[in-house]
Amino acid sequence: GENVEQHPSTLSVQEGDSAVIKCTYSDSASNYFPWYKQELGKGPQLIIDIRSNVGEKKDQRIAVTLNKTAKHFSLHITETQPEDSAVYFCAASMGTGGYNKLIFGAGTRLAVHP
Amino acid sequence: NAGVTQTPKFRVLKTGQSMTLLCAQDMNHEYMYWYRQDPGMGLRLIHYSVGEGTTAKGEVPDGYNVSRLKKQNFLLGLESAAPSQTSVYFCASKEGGSRGEQYFGPGTRLTVT
Repeated sequence: GENVEQHPSTLSVQEGDSAVIKCTYSDSASNYFPWYKQELGKGPQLIIDIRSNVGEKKDQRIAVTLNKTAKHFSLHITETQPEDSAVYFCAASMGTGGYNKLIFGAGTRLAVHP
Repeated sequence: NAGVTQTPKFRVLKTGQSMTLLCAQDMNHEYMYWYRQDPGMGLRLIHYSVGEGTTAKGEVPDGYNVSRLKKQNFLLGLESAAPSQTSVYFCASKEGGSRGEQYFGPGTRLTVT
């Protein structure tokens, strides 16, 4: 079945540095790739997503890149701030269905130190 | 709008007991989902629904049942709880079709002893 691998599991950076989280997926039919941020005690919240017809998407300090041939996608956070500290999850849609069934990576715990 | 709400927030059950988790959304979304989150494993889909009166199995459906009698509510039932069902449960909802994001509730922490 579909599998999503996420690396690293933990990431520690200094405030102002960049952070990169990488994910690979197995189902070549996947066409939707969201990234979620989860703060302690809360549900995940979408921060950015990308569909398979584009290679890159940017929203202020956050960007996502997609390489369909290699079946991997990455989250880039520039100029990190302490409030970026959280657990980040990548996900990939299962097949091409509009139901948006998602397979999630195991998560990356990001710590931004002042 | 309250978005997606979940009841209860915390619960402790003994092995063999039953319970129902309630998810409610006020965004008129067609699709609703139940996930469980375990340490080091991300979120895994238990069951989902693409409309009132319809449900389908996800990745890890065994030991759970669901019902979607009203569009705004999605119930997750555990008929005979087991320690392996100790987890944090999240509900999510999404508008119909291939567009739109999944909105998550705040979660229910369930412990089965």
